[in-house]
Amino acid sequence: QKEVEQDPGPLSVPEGAIVSLNCTYSNSAFQYFMWYRQYSRKGPELLMYTYSSGNKEDGRFTAQVDKSSKYISLFIRDSQPSDSATYLCAIQPYYSASKIIFGSGTRLSIRP
Amino acid sequence: NAGVTQTPKFQVLKTGQSMTLQCAQDMNHEYMSWYRQDPGMGLRLIHYSVGAGITDQGEVPNGYNVSRSTTEDFPLRLLSAAPSQTSVYFCASSYLGTETTEAFFGQGTRLTVV
Repeated sequence: QKEVEQDPGPLSVPEGAIVSLNCTYSNSAFQYFMWYRQYSRKGPELLMYTYSSGNKEDGRFTAQVDKSSKYISLFIRDSQPSDSATYLCAIQPYYSASKIIFGSGTRLSIRP
Repeated sequence: NAGVTQTPKFQVLKTGQSMTLQCAQDMNHEYMSWYRQDPGMGLRLIHYSVGAGITDQGEVPNGYNVSRSTTEDFPLRLLSAAPSQTSVYFCASSYLGTETTEAFFGQGTRLTVV
């Protein structure tokens, strides 16, 4: 079983729609839950992270972690064409920043 | 501020050849990692380092070597290239604070082994 499972997509939605991206993880020892965004032919960039559990909001983006069900979600409100990218969920232990485990990624396309 | 610099950006190797992918960071981060990205598989950890002189294996280390003689540099060596090593390789440099963390990635090296 992979440590992080991510809904594979691809996902195509109209501009302005609410987008929900989801992952599950299996190892409860991880404390950092992250979302990276990757544009075509670029390296990933950190979009948001939460430490421990709960919700975190940043503008149109909300990251949510439910540790009881080992579920990680990213919500995008009022989606824009510029949000079109691959979104990677990731988990990281509290003791190391070099052992990030990534999901397989979801390619998102926002149609104008 | 350059961040994470990877060289080369593109490389074509013949089966059996060896090469070194270079990675340098100027953020004084202790943590550095190498990942490979294949279609539909996300990023998989090859090797990582928690400081100069300290390295360890990740999920897919076979066929690769690393060393970390300085904080800034973390080269990845392919010992004898195989077609299965055709991939996009990303180097990352990371920090870990009190409930804060972030990894910074280079632009990637696209490697083709023929």
